[in-house]
Amino acid sequence: EAGVAQSPRYKIIEKRQSVAFWCNPISGHATLYWYQQILGQGPKLLIQFQNNGVVDDSQLPKDRFSAERLKGVDSTLKIQPAKLEDSAVYLCASSPRKLAGRNEQFFGPGTRLTVL
Amino acid sequence: AQSVSQHNHHVILSEAASLELGCNYSYGGTVNLFWYVQYPGQHLQLLLKYFSGDPLVKGIKGFEAEFIKSKFSFNLRKPSVQWSDTAEYFCAVNIGWDVNTGKLIFGQGTTLQVKP
Repeated sequence: EAGVAQSPRYKIIEKRQSVAFWCNPISGHATLYWYQQILGQGPKLLIQFQNNGVVDDSQLPKDRFSAERLKGVDSTLKIQPAKLEDSAVYLCASSPRKLAGRNEQFFGPGTRLTVL
Repeated sequence: AQSVSQHNHHVILSEAASLELGCNYSYGGTVNLFWYVQYPGQHLQLLLKYFSGDPLVKGIKGFEAEFIKSKFSFNLRKPSVQWSDTAEYFCAVNIGWDVNTGKLIFGQGTTLQVKP
């Protein structure tokens, strides 16, 4: 079974530039998550999709971050404009069952973003 | 706000030593509890989980964890660590009304270094 795919793996940009990350979840997984992991901290949920609908985006900085899940499969996360404090690893995860807090979440390798 | 605390940020052990990593959460209601592990160069992956029943749960690679409701704790243990256990360990909690959404709150992580 193929895992969660993310690209790019690394990205370096200057502040005020924009950037986009892509995620392809495990086939058939209904739920998709984007996390932000700042160095020395645990992952923090940014947004959760159930198929192509948003379940939770309460911690997404909506003035600069946006996300979409096309046709309930792939997802993109965008930052525009980026700030220095956005430097982090952005993790995508998916889980196989809808709306079940007992799910194991399967994580991708992450995208390491550096904002200069 | 709900939070998850991991007491040890960096633990160094010799092979064959016993391991206990502490995890406490701040929420008085229903919880689902997880430990995730990230080996060097690999993705976050599930180590073990607890939903209900026997509060002592066993996971992969000889790890176990004990849920103590009165102490709001879910500590991870292993009787004898190996060099291959060197990794970062994250405690995560799915709290209360979020049990059906799969929203996890992660601790800040503990880096375990095992000396051969």
